[in-house]
Amino acid sequence: DAGVIQSPRHEVTEMGQEVTLRCKPISGHDYLFWYRQTMMRGLELLIYFNNNVPIDDSGMPEDRFSAKMPNASFSTLKIQPSEPRDSAVYFCASSTPGRGRETQYFGPGTRLLVL
Amino acid sequence: GENVEQHPSTLSVQEGDSAVIKCTYSDSASNYFPWYKQELGKRPQLIIDIRSNVGEKKDQRIAVTLNKTAKHFSLHITETQPEDSAVYFCAASINDYKLSFGAGTTVTVRA
Repeated sequence: DAGVIQSPRHEVTEMGQEVTLRCKPISGHDYLFWYRQTMMRGLELLIYFNNNVPIDDSGMPEDRFSAKMPNASFSTLKIQPSEPRDSAVYFCASSTPGRGRETQYFGPGTRLLVL
Repeated sequence: GENVEQHPSTLSVQEGDSAVIKCTYSDSASNYFPWYKQELGKRPQLIIDIRSNVGEKKDQRIAVTLNKTAKHFSLHITETQPEDSAVYFCAASINDYKLSFGAGTTVTVRA
């Protein structure tokens, strides 16, 4: 299994531009999580889905952030418009149903820099 | 919401010595406590976890203890090795999924 796949791995954009981050969870996993990691705020859960349905989006910082999961193998995190304070590493993670469901498998992350 | 505090923020140990990282949590309903290790530039990976119905769990050189009354849990690494150098995060959850992470501890093992 290839693990959780994220793209792009690096993104540099200018303030005001739209940014779309993509994630492909491990096949068969039914939970998908989006995290943001910064030096100042650490690792924060933004939103998570179960069977493609958003369960908790209380960590989404502002209306500029939105996430979708149109099917079991794809999710996006969109920032529109982007701001310099959105610069961070964004991780996607997934977990399996049933036994071992607590283990979250993280993707390699997308390093976002907003100028 | 849940608030997890982690100490120390940095820890330097001599190879072969033990390392201890401590965390406290605020929500008494939390029942799942994982620890993740993140090497420089890499993704976080689960190394050990414990549930509230267990006081201690061990996996080779790594152990975790939980004190529900004090809302306190700790990670113990014995016989540290250079490959143990990384950032370690504790977390707490009330439902197995919504993890609240501590700020992390940077562990450096000196050869």
